[in-house]
Amino acid sequence: GAVVSQHPSRVICKSGTSVKIECRSLDFQATTMFWYRQFPKQSLMLMATSNEGSKATYEQGVEKDKFLINHASLTLSTLTVTSAHPEDSSFYICSARDPGGDSSTDTQYFGPGTRLTVL
Amino acid sequence: GESVGLHLPTLSVQEGDNSIINCAYSNSASDYFIWYKQESGKGPQFIIDIRSNMDKRQGQRVTVLLNKTVKHLSLQIAATQPGDSAVYFCAENWGTGRRALTFGSGTRLQVQP
Repeated sequence: GAVVSQHPSRVICKSGTSVKIECRSLDFQATTMFWYRQFPKQSLMLMATSNEGSKATYEQGVEKDKFLINHASLTLSTLTVTSAHPEDSSFYICSARDPGGDSSTDTQYFGPGTRLTVL
Repeated sequence: GESVGLHLPTLSVQEGDNSIINCAYSNSASDYFIWYKQESGKGPQFIIDIRSNMDKRQGQRVTVLLNKTVKHLSLQIAATQPGDSAVYFCAENWGTGRRALTFGSGTRLQVQP
């Protein structure tokens, strides 16, 4: 299957700092990437949809000024957690849609996740 | 056995037995379903998918069954191995253009040697 990478895998930062997480599709071009957040023992919650060359679409309740998303190329999307606080500590996971040959159903492949700890 | 509560439901099976993990979805408009396996500290790993025009699809040691009448999805794992121990999520997709997945709550599979 397609490979999606994330960097960094773990980050620990002080409260008030900003953290950038990168998501890359390694062997395919992804016009759409998704950012999820996962708390311990819970399911994945969609935060935003990142579209190459346009503004991200945020889910209800997700602050766009808090979680900045930039999808500058067909293989890279970044999520920046601005002015991070302890409640932002979570596991952040990106996925990329592999268009394949069928535009009606597309498989999403996930990155390995980034564990963010805000002290 | 299976436990439900604040934590993920857990399915415990003996190595070599078959496992069945169930999922109920809510959106009757969903037309694409995926099963993912997630090991601790890792991202979800694609296992198998099925489209709404099918009711069964088989992969290597895994089978997905879809019952659209009752909006139910199941994942069957044959000859379960210790390496199958993980949390399994079903996900559904719908809508034209957006392609966002909605995940189920997940089931933890524990394989006893």
